[in-house]
Parts: sequence; C-alpha cells; structure tokens
Amino acid sequence: GDSVTQMEGPVTLSEEAFLTINCTYTATGYPSLFWYVQYPGEGLQLLLKATKADDKGSNKGFEATYRKETTSFHLEKGSVQVSDSAVYFCALSDPGTPLVFGKGTRLSVIA
Amino acid sequence: EAQVTQNPRYLITVTGKKLTVTCSQNMNHEYMSWYRQDPGLGLRQIYYSMNVEVTDKGDVPEGYKVSRKEKRNFPLILESPSPNQTSLYFCASSPRRQNTGELFFGEGSRLTVL
Repeated sequence: GDSVTQMEGPVTLSEEAFLTINCTYTATGYPSLFWYVQYPGEGLQLLLKATKADDKGSNKGFEATYRKETTSFHLEKGSVQVSDSAVYFCALSDPGTPLVFGKGTRLSVIA
Repeated sequence: EAQVTQNPRYLITVTGKKLTVTCSQNMNHEYMSWYRQDPGLGLRQIYYSMNVEVTDKGDVPEGYKVSRKEKRNFPLILESPSPNQTSLYFCASSPRRQNTGELFFGEGSRLTVL
C-alpha cells in the first residue's frame, strides 16, 4: 500500500539556518503530496501541496518540489525562525484513498 | 471564523466508562474524519464520512463508533474505553466529498484511559 517515510527528528537548528526535511513516498497511483505543520498545542495545518510531477508548492518561505523520478517531496526553507518550531508531517493522497501521513519530524529553532 | 471544534480538549477516564468526543465544523464541509496521533506512529485514521449517514472504517476502527446524522457534526464514541485508546485525537474536515488531502483540523482532544 501507499506509504510515506520522512527523516526522524528531532532537528535542531539555529535561527537563520537552512532547513531540509526529507520525505520519500511509495504509491501505486499518481498521488498528490502535502506538507502539514503542527504548532505546539494545536491541530495540523496545511502548509503546502503539489498535485503533479515537477510541481513546486510554496508557502511562508517553505518550498517542496514533487520529484517523481526520486519519489521525493523534500521540505526546504532558506532561513528558519524561532516561530517555525513545530512538527512537520509529509503526506500523500491517492484519489479515492485516505490521506497517508509520515510519522512527523520535530523541528526546534533556537535563537 | 471557519473552524473545526472538538470537545472535550482533555479527558481522563477509567476503563469501560463510555465516552463521546464531539466534533463540529461550521464550513459546510462534506467530508469529515477522525485520527489518532501516537508517538512514533504519526496519525492514523479511525473513521471517515463522505456525507450525512455515510461512514466508513479507516485504518484503526476497532473500539470506536461514529455517526453522521447532521452535516456539521461527527462524534467519536468509545463504548468501552481501554488503556490502549489513550491518545491524542483529531477531527478533520474537507470541502469535497472525496478526500483530496486538504484537511482542516480541530485542535485535538487528549484522552487518558486509566
């Protein structure tokens, strides 16, 4: 079945550092790919998405590119802030099937 | 304000005492779903609903029931809770009947079963 694998955390960075969180997927169809973010004490929020190969999703300075050849959707940000500290979830959605989440990567950004 | 509201946010109960976690959305969404979040396991879907009176099992439905009598409400029922149901629960909704992956989540309900 479909699955998502993302790098284990926690990831600790200094403010203004470059962020990469790796995500790879396995899917039988042509899924849409998502990054969700969960801030402390809150529910998940959609951060960005991409619906087909080579699409780039972007939001709040975060970017991820749908790479079909490497089955990846890595999350990047050029300069992280303390306010970016959260848990990040990669997810995929094959048409007609439930959303499949990765296990989450906790990011801590220190000033 | 568009939102998904869950209650209670925190609950400690004992084994076997029936409980209900309510979920309500004010966005007129077709699709609603329940997830549980556990350390090291991420989010797993319990049940989902694509429309009123239509519900279906997710990945981990054992020990749970749901109902969808109205479009806005999707309560999660634990008839006889057990300690392995101690978890953080999230309700989510989506405007389309089919799950497209774009979900709006509630703030979560942390349940402890002793």
